[in-house]
Amino acid sequence: KNQVEQSPQSLIILEGKNCTLQCNYTVSPFSNLRWYKQDTGRGPVSLTIMTFSENTKSNGRYTATLDADTKQSSLHITASQLSDSASYICVVSPTDSWGKLQFGAGTQVVVTP
Amino acid sequence: ETGVTQSPTHLIKTRGQQVTLRCSSQSGHNTVSWYQQALGQGPQFIFQYYREEENGRGNFPPRFSGLQFPNYSSELNVNALELDDSALYLCASSLSVAETQYFGPGTRLLVL
Repeated sequence: KNQVEQSPQSLIILEGKNCTLQCNYTVSPFSNLRWYKQDTGRGPVSLTIMTFSENTKSNGRYTATLDADTKQSSLHITASQLSDSASYICVVSPTDSWGKLQFGAGTQVVVTP
Repeated sequence: ETGVTQSPTHLIKTRGQQVTLRCSSQSGHNTVSWYQQALGQGPQFIFQYYREEENGRGNFPPRFSGLQFPNYSSELNVNALELDDSALYLCASSLSVAETQYFGPGTRLLVL
C-alpha cells in the first residue's frame, strides 16, 4: 500500500478560481513534506517544503498546509492560471531512509479558460 | 531549469535489449537518485548514489544497475528489457543525501 495518498485523482477548474489538493500520508517519522509541480513529460519542480514542525508555507499563489497530528497536507492554488495545468505531487521524506522519498501518485489539474 | 540534464530524451528499444541512461547533476551536487515513473503514477525510487557509492535501493530487480562517476554524473543501466520497463526515467541531484532533490527532464523509454 502506498504510504502517500492524494485526492482527487484529477481536477478541472476554471481560470481564476481557487482549488485545494489533499495529501494523506502514513510515513512516520518524517523529516519534511514537499509539494512538486510536474508538467507533462517534464521532471517535477519543487513548490514548497515543510518540516514536521511547520504548519504552512507559501510560494506565490501556492500555499501548503501540514497537520502532523492527522498526517494530512493540502496545497491551495489561488486565482488559477492556465499555466497551473500540471500534475501536483506530494512527497514525504522518511527520517530513517534519507533520500528515499515517498511519492504520491499526483493530482492532475486542468485549468480551462 | 534545475541544471540537471538527462540523455537521451526519448528512446525506443525491444524486449531483451539493454539500455543506458545518463544524468548530469547540478554543479556541486554529490548525490544522484533515479526514479521510474509509469504513466499516471508517481515516481518510484530505484536507487541513490552518494559520492560514487550506492546509498539505498528500492524494490527493483538486479537487472537495474547504476554507476556514479568522480564528477558525480550518473548512469542507469537496464538489462533484459521488459515491456513493463516502458516509463519516464527521472534522475534527481542534491547537495547531499538529505537535501532537496532537483529533477532532470527525464528520459522516456518505450520497450516494444
